[in-house]
Amino acid sequence: DSGVTQTPKHLITATGQRVTLRCSPRSGDLSVYWYQQSLDQGLQFLIQYYNGEERAKGNILERFSAQQFPDLHSELNLSSLELGDSALYFCASSVGIGARGNTIYFGEGSWLTVV
Amino acid sequence: AQKITQTQPGMFVQEKEAVTLDCTYDTSDPSYGLFWYKQPSSGEMIFLIYQGSYDQQNATEGRYSLNFQKARKSANLVISASQLGDSAMYFCAMRELATGNQFYFGTGTSLTVIP
Repeated sequence: DSGVTQTPKHLITATGQRVTLRCSPRSGDLSVYWYQQSLDQGLQFLIQYYNGEERAKGNILERFSAQQFPDLHSELNLSSLELGDSALYFCASSVGIGARGNTIYFGEGSWLTVV
Repeated sequence: AQKITQTQPGMFVQEKEAVTLDCTYDTSDPSYGLFWYKQPSSGEMIFLIYQGSYDQQNATEGRYSLNFQKARKSANLVISASQLGDSAMYFCAMRELATGNQFYFGTGTSLTVIP
């Protein structure tokens, strides 16, 4: 158990809908990352937050947004869903952004299926 | 250019034998970290081992060791005494200090341990 909690674990929704994925980082971790893993794209970095502020942005679509709340939990909002958004969405956390040895720990992922 | 390259899409190893999973990386940042993660069929991403760019010795964690060859920019994972439970996808990753500590992942190697 990494200590990173993601909900829901599985989600099936229709095209055009909107979903919210939730992540609670490990206790004490200030940095949260979101990744998308699909069969054809591999593991894609979406976005990173540190202590409530956006720190880095990867290949995140405009239809997707995220935020990190004062209690450090994070939510990834996916809207106007398309079939191609079906993927495993990971949240990961780390203590901070400065240390060289800063390992990120992953949650178990949220499996999203768009039908 | 790819930051992390894993050239072995699939590998097979006999139970109790050792296996090496290859990883090469590309960076001009003198300060970086290298990581290996395991992803079993259940989907979670499990942190295995870390190597810092300034570390003089190769990292070891139980049956896992990282063969770090800085001049060749390689960070191969060695699994000794393979077990059936080692069958999984293995991802190599790098974190650069210069790019704000973003993580870059390889495409993964699928390891199958044969009884």
